[in-house]
Amino acid sequence: AAGVIQSPRHLIKEKRETATLKCYPIPRHDTVYWYQQGPGQDPQFLISFYEKMQSDKGSIPDRFSAQQFSDYHSELNMSSLELGDSALYFCASQLLTDTQYFGPGTRLTVL
Amino acid sequence: AQKITQTQPGMFVQEKEAVTLDCTYDTSDQSYGLFWYKQPSSGEMIFLIYQGSYDEQNATEGRYSLNFQKARKSANLVISASQLGDSAMYFCAMREDMYSGGGADGLTFGKGTHLIIQP
Repeated sequence: AAGVIQSPRHLIKEKRETATLKCYPIPRHDTVYWYQQGPGQDPQFLISFYEKMQSDKGSIPDRFSAQQFSDYHSELNMSSLELGDSALYFCASQLLTDTQYFGPGTRLTVL
Repeated sequence: AQKITQTQPGMFVQEKEAVTLDCTYDTSDQSYGLFWYKQPSSGEMIFLIYQGSYDEQNATEGRYSLNFQKARKSANLVISASQLGDSAMYFCAMREDMYSGGGADGLTFGKGTHLIIQP
């Protein structure tokens, strides 16, 4: 069965640079979520989109923005990167109120 | 206050034994969902089992079952006949306001339990 696709899988950036993470949900899933998991931490919800509209917002820094496109893929844009942004970033997709299925994650390292 | 509490940071269990991972939750919503995810050392987050607040039967998925005690606000994961491949981090998570159509509330996770299965 098709799963959530995230790219890139690994990303290394310098402080103050920008990064764009991409997420391709499971086909026909209408909702996308973004989570950040720091080293040794539990995942923290950042933001979600339902039918291309922002639906819920968690602990997403103002330096981050996200959107969902007409083909339902989503991008998380991160600017002015800080050392503390180094983390595993997950995208999850969901159909209606069903279970959230997670992608493999993008591991971001900020040097 | 913590919405999801997992009181066992780490557990060591002998292979083939049954394992119970504890999870208690806190919510004032009537409709919510409880989820368990497994995260191996490779990092991916694997969905295991789901229990809805209105479900009267405990959820089961193969070797996984969820011991749901609504009055106690607990949703413990039971793994029967543990295997070496079960060694991983296990997260309990909750989604509140579960059945509002079109809503997309994020999951709230517990701190996780690191389970190690010993041969």
